[in-house]
Amino acid sequence: EVQLLESGGGLVQPGGSLRLSCAASGFTFSTHPMTWVRQAPGKGLEWVSTIGAYFDTHYADSVKGRFTISRDTSKSTVSLQMNSLRVDDTAEYFCTKDAFVGNGIWDPFDYWGQGIVVTVSS
Amino acid sequence: EIVLTQSPDTLSLSPGERATLSCRASQSVTNNYLAWYQRKPGQAPRLLIYGASSRATAIPDRFSGSGSGTDFTLTISRLDPEDFAVYYCQHYGRSPEMFTFGQGTKLEIK
Repeated sequence: EVQLLESGGGLVQPGGSLRLSCAASGFTFSTHPMTWVRQAPGKGLEWVSTIGAYFDTHYADSVKGRFTISRDTSKSTVSLQMNSLRVDDTAEYFCTKDAFVGNGIWDPFDYWGQGIVVTVSS
Repeated sequence: EIVLTQSPDTLSLSPGERATLSCRASQSVTNNYLAWYQRKPGQAPRLLIYGASSRATAIPDRFSGSGSGTDFTLTISRLDPEDFAVYYCQHYGRSPEMFTFGQGTKLEIK
């Protein structure tokens, strides 16, 4: 059974830092890109960052230069280091797994973690 | 970047009725790289449809997707009480920067 378990959320002041982690199990972690998606209160879903199977990284413009995604294949974990946090980074963050491998495109997400809340407030 | 606009914002229907949700793209979607998700309160989003019309694993056949180019539709043939939720369409493709979501349609019980 595929499981994605996020941790590390909480309350942080503007300008602060937080590190989210996602422990993955139940699939061949090394072959799948992993993505963070967020949803701010009352808003829709927003792509945040993706790390490919070959450790290539991609970021939404809204977080570029402030967030860093990484993965540890030996531990089957993906992390999101969030620096210079802003009030508008307040959201529920989801760790997701892409649905397929080897088809040459970046696929939709067939498994999601339960979500973890990040609140940026003074 | 493709912008996805969903309509209506809210759809009020009764169990047993047919639901039709729309997703319009600002430019043509290559190879129908369009997915649909369902999100219920307190739960993570669930992938329903990918490739505009392929059902994801374990999705009931009352859910169907159609469309091409810039206009896509999610149809729920006979609403079950558990289907009342928010639905999002998503574009994907040859780079992660193509991951964009529509603003969502809330399907509520009438």
